[in-house]
Amino acid sequence: GAVVSQHPSRVICKSGTSVKIECRSLDFQATTMFWYRQFPKKSLMLMATSNEGSKATYEQGVEKDKFLINHASLTLSTLTVTSAHPEDSSFYICSARGGIWRGVTDTQYFGPGTRLTVL
Amino acid sequence: DQQVKQNSPSLSVQEGRISILNCDYTNSMFDYFLWYKKYPAEGPTFLISISSIKDKNEDGRFTVFLNKSAKHLSLHIVPSQPGDSAVYFCAATRNQGGKLIFGQGTELSVKP
Repeated sequence: GAVVSQHPSRVICKSGTSVKIECRSLDFQATTMFWYRQFPKKSLMLMATSNEGSKATYEQGVEKDKFLINHASLTLSTLTVTSAHPEDSSFYICSARGGIWRGVTDTQYFGPGTRLTVL
Repeated sequence: DQQVKQNSPSLSVQEGRISILNCDYTNSMFDYFLWYKKYPAEGPTFLISISSIKDKNEDGRFTVFLNKSAKHLSLHIVPSQPGDSAVYFCAATRNQGGKLIFGQGTELSVKP
């Protein structure tokens, strides 16, 4: 149990375009989803926390107008990188937390990540 | 301000021996700690966790020790296997479901 998927796994786009990344909890309902960014050989940096049906809470220094987060249902959250620039190139990872449900503990379970390359 | 630190960027261990990965934290409000394993281009996989009310938690080959007075935790892997080679992140949070603060990671290499 506790499987989280991300789509796409890899995306290459031109500078100025927008890219949408989906995060789904496949076998549990995620009351909260988190979006992280990881630079090469660096730690995971939390970008924002999203709760189903409410606005995301962004960490300091993260532009909410650039990184749009939508948590439309208990199994889906999306991150849209708007007007992408080369410096947005990174590895984006989502996680989902489901509370105590079908044996899934209140721990964050991570998706496989999305490699974004902006040319 | 790095609240969670893994001071060893890499560790090399012989197969069958013990691997000890260390993590230090500065925020005394943290009360739940986790270890994740990560392969390149993949998301972290949850390994083991420990609450601040305990000082040890064991799951198979993995044991996490917590020393609250020293604000230090460690992950022991015994015996180490080549498949354990990956980057290990420790993480801390103020409650079990709160946002995680990650360390920088330690790359473990287990040699046959």
